[in-house]
Order: sequence, then C-alpha cells, then structure tokens
Amino acid sequence: DTAVSQTPKYLVTQMGNDKSIKCEQNLGHDTMYWYKQDSKKFLKIMFSYNNKELIINETVPNRFSPKSPDKAHLNLHINSLELGDSAVYFCASSQGWGRETQYFGPGTRLLVL
Amino acid sequence: DQQVKQNSPSLSVQEGRISILNCDYTNSMFDYFLWYKKYPAEGPTFLISISSIKDKNEDGRFTVFLNKSAKHLSLHIVPSQPGDSAVYFCAASLGVGNEKLTFGTGTRLTIIP
Repeated sequence: DTAVSQTPKYLVTQMGNDKSIKCEQNLGHDTMYWYKQDSKKFLKIMFSYNNKELIINETVPNRFSPKSPDKAHLNLHINSLELGDSAVYFCASSQGWGRETQYFGPGTRLLVL
Repeated sequence: DQQVKQNSPSLSVQEGRISILNCDYTNSMFDYFLWYKKYPAEGPTFLISISSIKDKNEDGRFTVFLNKSAKHLSLHIVPSQPGDSAVYFCAASLGVGNEKLTFGTGTRLTIIP
C-alpha cells in the first residue's frame, strides 16, 4: 500500500497547456510538500502545506498553484506550461512541521514540448 | 547559489568495502543535515540525519560524520552491499522554525559485486 502516491507518473504536453499533478498520502501526516528536480538534478522545494495552510512558498512563478483540499492531498496545478517546466516533480509528506522525516512519492516526469 | 554541494557525481566501490560519500556546504547557519537515498523511478527515502551539536551519528552500516569547522559532512557505508547502489543526496536545514531542506545534486554510488 503506497504511502505517498502521485498521478500521473508521466505527463507529456504542449507548451501553453494547463495541467495538474495529484498527490495523496495515507500516512496521516500533517505536512505536505512539492519539490522540483530539474535537468541538473537539483531538488528544490516549491511549496509546503501544514494542516492545509501554506507555510513555504519559494520563488515560483505564479503559474504554479498548489491546492490542498484536505490534509491527505496536495495537488499542483500549472498554467500556461513552458519548456522550462520540464522536470520531475516530487510530492512529500511529514508528520508535523519541523525536523520530521519527509516521505517522498515516486515523482511525476513532466515533459513540455 | 548552490549552498549544498556534492562534488563527486559518481562513485564505484567493491562489495564489502567502505563507501564514503562527501558533502560540503557554504551556509554556516545550517544546523541539521540529512542523507537521502534514491533508486531509479522512485522518490528519495530518508537514510540518516545529524544535528550540528553532534559530530557523528551511527545507524547500523551507516555513519554520518559532521565537521562544522570545515563545513563538511560524509556518509560512510560499511560493508557496502549491492543493494546500496543508488543516488545519495545530502540535505541541510536552518534552525528550528525554518526547516526547509536544501539538497545537493547527488552522488551515484555503484557497488561492484
């Protein structure tokens, strides 16, 4: 039973389209995150939600909008996709906010053509 | 600005020998450090962590050493096993209240049977 799951696993789309990536965790965690791993393999945090409240919002274009309908879900919606958005996006969760171990999903590989 | 650096993109080690993975950081305010392991097509999984008040933390075959004056940490795996073949990321965070993780670019470890 997967602890942190993401859908879809692969996403190929055209520039200018709008797409969403879904994340669900069944660990009962309070905090969820979105990370981006670019072509240089940098893994950088984008957003973090604790109890459905946004607590980290890095310098990310406002074309990216996270949505947390409940504590178990954190979806990422991307408007007007650009070539530079091609990356692997990882969702993660942790129990509480602080130095808690983060559990990562398998990643969504997004390719913008 | 790359605050956490893993200068060796890859490392090959004979099975049974010691694997040593290195990580350097530039921000002296980092006070908590972690190692994550990543298999292909999976998300990173937490391995071991160390607080800046310690210089060593051990968990089974894995030991992390922290040298604050040199701003350097290392992960020792002994003995190395084929299942240890993966990409290893080090990560760092600032003090309590700012637990955002900053990751290095990873080192691919290959254990040779």
